[in-house]
Amino acid sequence: DQQVKQNSPSLSVQEGRISILNCDYTNSMFDYFLWYKKYPAEGPTFLISISSIKDKNEDGRFTVFLNKSAKHLSLHIVPSQPGDSAVYFCAAFTGKLIFGQGTTLQVKP
Amino acid sequence: DTGVSQNPRHKITKRGQNVTFRCDPISEHNRLYWYRQTLGQGPEFLTYFQNEAQLEKSRLLSDRFSAERPKGSFSTLEIQRTEQGDSAMYLCASTLVQGAYEQYFGPGTRLTVT
Repeated sequence: DQQVKQNSPSLSVQEGRISILNCDYTNSMFDYFLWYKKYPAEGPTFLISISSIKDKNEDGRFTVFLNKSAKHLSLHIVPSQPGDSAVYFCAAFTGKLIFGQGTTLQVKP
Repeated sequence: DTGVSQNPRHKITKRGQNVTFRCDPISEHNRLYWYRQTLGQGPEFLTYFQNEAQLEKSRLLSDRFSAERPKGSFSTLEIQRTEQGDSAMYLCASTLVQGAYEQYFGPGTRLTVT
């Protein structure tokens, strides 16, 4: 059973615009939600997290929103830059990380 | 601090052979995780250690898989009698108990079973 789902395999945006990546989950008991970023031939890199008791966390150009009633979280990147092009994984933590399938973001110059 | 390292980076083996991978975590980290990633999927949890104790194993981890962290530092993952379905990227991550959701990943070992 896929407890964390990213339904969009890919997203393409123009440099300077907003990128919005989405994620849905099924288990209300998750403690933290996270976004990881992955470049080819490298391991995932932690990007930003949010506690299950909050609904927003911001770090520079990155903001994560959590909607517990909808069991949905999203990552906003503003403004998007070409260097943001990578695979983004949503993950939930409950002693271990449970990852979604990933969304490939392409930011065009 | 050089980050998490994994060796080898690539391994090609024939079906039925045994393979062993090594992970060296960030030195002060007491938790070490193993994940497996196949094409088009996110990493899947396999097992994790706190110091030298193996605290959880996924049901994905068949009895052909064994992991150790003998002195609470580096860890090894061994796959016996490899099958083609074992072909994947094997990722190691380390972290501290406090804030264990923020994990630091190594570059992975890509296993190809022919």
